[in-house]
Amino acid sequence: QSALTQPASVSGAPGQTITISCTRTSSDIVTYNYVSWYQQHPGKAPKVLIYDVSSRPSGVSNRFSGSKSGNTASLTISGLQPEDEADYYCTSCTSCTRSSTTWVFGGGTKVTVL
Amino acid sequence: QVHLQESGPGLVMPSDTLSLTCDVSGDSIRSGKWWGWIRQPPGKGLEWIAYMYYSGSTYYNPSLKSRITMSVDTSKNQVSLNLRSVSAVDTAIYYCARKRDYEYYFDSWGQGTLVTVSS
Repeated sequence: QSALTQPASVSGAPGQTITISCTRTSSDIVTYNYVSWYQQHPGKAPKVLIYDVSSRPSGVSNRFSGSKSGNTASLTISGLQPEDEADYYCTSCTSCTRSSTTWVFGGGTKVTVL
Repeated sequence: QVHLQESGPGLVMPSDTLSLTCDVSGDSIRSGKWWGWIRQPPGKGLEWIAYMYYSGSTYYNPSLKSRITMSVDTSKNQVSLNLRSVSAVDTAIYYCARKRDYEYYFDSWGQGTLVTVSS
């Protein structure tokens, strides 16, 4: 059982908005302020979409946004497009200090564009 | 632009040691970054393995810690991972990734290398 729980799958029609949740289920994650999200297409390496809960690296579409409420972080994809069909992973550091930290990943969510 | 390239044996015998290297280009190993390894069993999710700073600070996944050694070779601008006593559950794509200091996400990834543990 991962310390971060994601739904196995989420689907939506083109143009719709979908949300993927990532719930902290373990107290091993002391600080839940550094959630990041990765997109992975089949056969490709993961690519960061969101970091620090809601920040977006340059070059990432503003259709992707992140938020957090309590123990649940969320990735929202607006204006769903066929190329958004991929696996999405959330991750968080645990103690999140420069001198001592480890990382955990959620189990991943498969997004299907109908 | 940084480029990370993993290389490995492809096939490893059970109980042997798996050795992987990650060649870094477009950035210096000593440039204030952390360098990590993450793996993904076929058809499954991501698992963080380890990461380290060039000066030697190293952090390992507690579930793998007893079998892992990670190192850097600054002269070759290369990162390495050794995983001992492998079994079929260690079959995975192994990715090398970069994390900037004082940031908490992996901003660059290699393409990954598939390692199969089988006799």
